[in-house]
Formats: sequence, C-alpha cells, structure tokens
Amino acid sequence: EVQLVESGGGLVQPGGSLRLSCAASGFTFSSDWMDWVRQAPGKGLEWVANIKQDGSEEYYVDSVQGRFTISRDNAKSSLYLQMNSLRAEDTAVYYCARNRGWFRLDSWGQGTLVTVSS
Amino acid sequence: QSALTQPPSASGSPGQSVTISCTGTSSDVGGYNYVSWYQQHPGKAPKLMIYEVSKRPSGVPDRFSGSKSGNTASLTVSGLQAEDEADYYCSSFGGSRVFGGGTKLTVL
Repeated sequence: EVQLVESGGGLVQPGGSLRLSCAASGFTFSSDWMDWVRQAPGKGLEWVANIKQDGSEEYYVDSVQGRFTISRDNAKSSLYLQMNSLRAEDTAVYYCARNRGWFRLDSWGQGTLVTVSS
Repeated sequence: QSALTQPPSASGSPGQSVTISCTGTSSDVGGYNYVSWYQQHPGKAPKLMIYEVSKRPSGVPDRFSGSKSGNTASLTVSGLQAEDEADYYCSSFGGSRVFGGGTKLTVL
C-alpha cells in the first residue's frame, strides 16, 4: 500500500523558513515524479512544485519561484520542500503526492499545516 | 498560470445524475487528453477519481465518468449517493500545472 506522510509544518513568522518532509513507502520511490500541492484555509488546491525521478528537473509555480526549493533523497524515499522568505499567503495545508505522469496525482499524504503569522 | 474554470456549486437528489464542467484553453484541457478529477471530503486529502479524461483508478465506482469536448472537460456522477457529497477539482497537464477552482457537490 502506498503511504505518504508529511511532517515539518508549524507556525512561523513572516520572512522565516521551514522545511517540510514527506516519507514515502509501499512503492519504488525513485521511479516516480513527486509533487507538492497546497490548500489555503477554505480555498482550492494549488500546485506548488514537482521534481523528476532523479532530481535533475524541478518546476515551480510562479508565486514560490526563488523562495521554495524541492528536493528528494531516493535512498531515504523522502521528498522535501525548503521554504524561505515565507509570507502570510503561504499559509496552507501542504500535501505531497505521487505523480504517475502527465500530472496524474494518484496518491496523497494527509497534509501538514503551515501557518505564517506574527 | 490561470486556474481552470469550474462552477462553484452543483447539486442533485439521491439517485439522480449531476455533471460538473471544467473549462480551460487549448494550452491545457483542449490540447491534451490528460484531465484528472479529484474528490475531497472535508478535512481529508484529495482522492483521484478520473485520469486521462475518462479512466477510473481501481476501486472508483463506475458511477463516476469523465469526458471532454474542445476546451471543456466534464465529470458525471450517476446514481448520486450521500457519500458523493464533497468538493471536486479538475486538473490538466499543460504548459503549467493547474487545478480548477473546485465545485462543492451537495446531495439534497
């Protein structure tokens, strides 16, 4: 059974940093693209970033380009999202998801809440 | 990176059918047969219901079906059941990775 478990969320001040982690199990992690998707309170889904199987390609939504960095450690079956220069509008539940290609996100974690507030 | 357009709400009575639309452009929905639909119950993670316009993952009831015409994709839920009440989001592969704004489906 595919399992994705996010961690690392919490309360951070504007301008601060946070690193999210996603531990994967139940599948060959190194075989799939992986994505981060977020959902602000009471709002819809927003794609944030994704990374190729070997980490050689990364893509970001414009609003986080230059502030967030996605990475992965295939030996540890783990996905990461380093978030710097955080803003109030980054407040959201962050989900990691397995991407089976062509933006088909077939497995999702339970999400981790990031709150940016002073 | 504009979101795909969905109606904010839809509703139907148990046993009825309801269709939710998802309108994009020729750069996403119209240009690729890679539209997906997700179901999200309150406080839960999204669940993939339809991929590649009309394919169902294992375990998804055949009451859920998808189609596409031009720049608009559609999700139809037939034989509505109480547990179908949820938010539904479309997405499409394209120049950018975008979701629709979401549709709240109410079972009356």
